[in-house]
Amino acid sequence: AAGVIQSPRHLIKEKRETATLKCYPIPRHDTVYWYQQGPGQDPQFLISFYEKMQSDKGSIPDRFSAQQFSDYHSELNMSSLELGDSALYFCASSFRQGGSPLHFGNGTRLTVT
Amino acid sequence: AQTVTQSQPEMSVQEAETVTLSCTYDTSENNYYLFWYKQPPSRQMILVIRQEAYKQQNATENRFSVNFQKAAKSFSLKISDSQLGDTAMYFCAFMKRNNAGNMLTFGGGTRLMVKP
Repeated sequence: AAGVIQSPRHLIKEKRETATLKCYPIPRHDTVYWYQQGPGQDPQFLISFYEKMQSDKGSIPDRFSAQQFSDYHSELNMSSLELGDSALYFCASSFRQGGSPLHFGNGTRLTVT
Repeated sequence: AQTVTQSQPEMSVQEAETVTLSCTYDTSENNYYLFWYKQPPSRQMILVIRQEAYKQQNATENRFSVNFQKAAKSFSLKISDSQLGDTAMYFCAFMKRNNAGNMLTFGGGTRLMVKP
């Protein structure tokens, strides 16, 4: 079965640079989520989209933005990167129906030097 | 706001034995869902099991089962016949029951080591 596809798998950036992470949800899933997992921490919700519109917003810094495109893929844009942004970034997708489990991608490991 | 607490940062179990991971949560919601996710060293987040709060019957998936105590706000995971491949970080997660979004709130995780 098709899974959530994230790219790139690894990304190394320097401070103050910009990074773009991509996510392709499971076909027919109408909701996409972004999570950030710092070292030794649990995943923290950043933002979600339903049918290409922002749905919920969590602890996403103002330096970050995201959008969902007409083909349902989503991108997380991070600017003015800081050392503390180094983390594993997960994308997940699900159906909108309440209780539908989230299916996660393999994550993008971002390292800011 | 919901909070999820996993009081056991690390646990170990011998292969083929049974282990139980604890999870408690705090919410004012009456209808919600609870999940266990597994994160092996490969870092992938894998759904293990799902429980609907309005169902009294405990969910079961092969060797994995839960003990859901709604009044106590407790949701423990039991792994039977532990296998080496069960070695992973296990996260308990809470989801409100509505159609406005299925955001998960995670606990801090329990690192499980299965020993041969």
